[in-house]
Amino acid sequence: KNQVEQSPQSLIILEGKNCTLQCNYTVSPFSNLRWYKQDTGRGPVSLTIMTFSENTKSNGRYTATLDADTKQSSLHITASQLSDSASYICVVSLLDTGRRALTFGSGTRLQVQP
Amino acid sequence: GAGVSQSPSNKVTEKGKDVELRCDPISGHTALYWYRQRLGQGLEFLIYFQGNSAPDKSGLPSDRFSAERTGESVSTLTIQRTQQEDSAVYLCASRTAGARTGELFFGEGSRLTVL
Repeated sequence: KNQVEQSPQSLIILEGKNCTLQCNYTVSPFSNLRWYKQDTGRGPVSLTIMTFSENTKSNGRYTATLDADTKQSSLHITASQLSDSASYICVVSLLDTGRRALTFGSGTRLQVQP
Repeated sequence: GAGVSQSPSNKVTEKGKDVELRCDPISGHTALYWYRQRLGQGLEFLIYFQGNSAPDKSGLPSDRFSAERTGESVSTLTIQRTQQEDSAVYLCASRTAGARTGELFFGEGSRLTVL
């Protein structure tokens, strides 16, 4: 069964600190993995995409990693800001079309406190 | 508009009433998805449209839920005889077809409250 598991479920950190969110998947055949950020009351927005051949990709203070062998991805946030408070959702795509091509994690809820 | 547009943004209704939610995808996006998100929970797939193909309705929770889409344009999600457990945010997303790395573009959602 194709699954995406994220940890931790929730996280509270102080402003300026770093944090790392984890995503483990059993989806196969793998096409790509995206991290989305969902602010409270808003729709999710894509932060970064990782394809099979990519190990690391940065988008400002966000750095995503992918280990296709162990089927793990992480999202590292550096020097956190209050605006980073949101849910972060890992979405894995299959080499397929249709809705089955997308498997969503349940998300990690991050709260950055002053 | 440039993004996915959903309406209404908020809907409060009484148990047993029917509601209709609307999604206007990004122009040119042939794939359209509806998701449900209960408070504090992840996204739950409801239905998927791809061009003129038969929709994938495998996520609809009951026969009270239905959705339509005309061609590659607006989609409506209808919930009949609403129940309190239908209270959630209903998110619509669209993307270009066939793009394996295609990004999902989400609307802001329609928040449904059933009293």
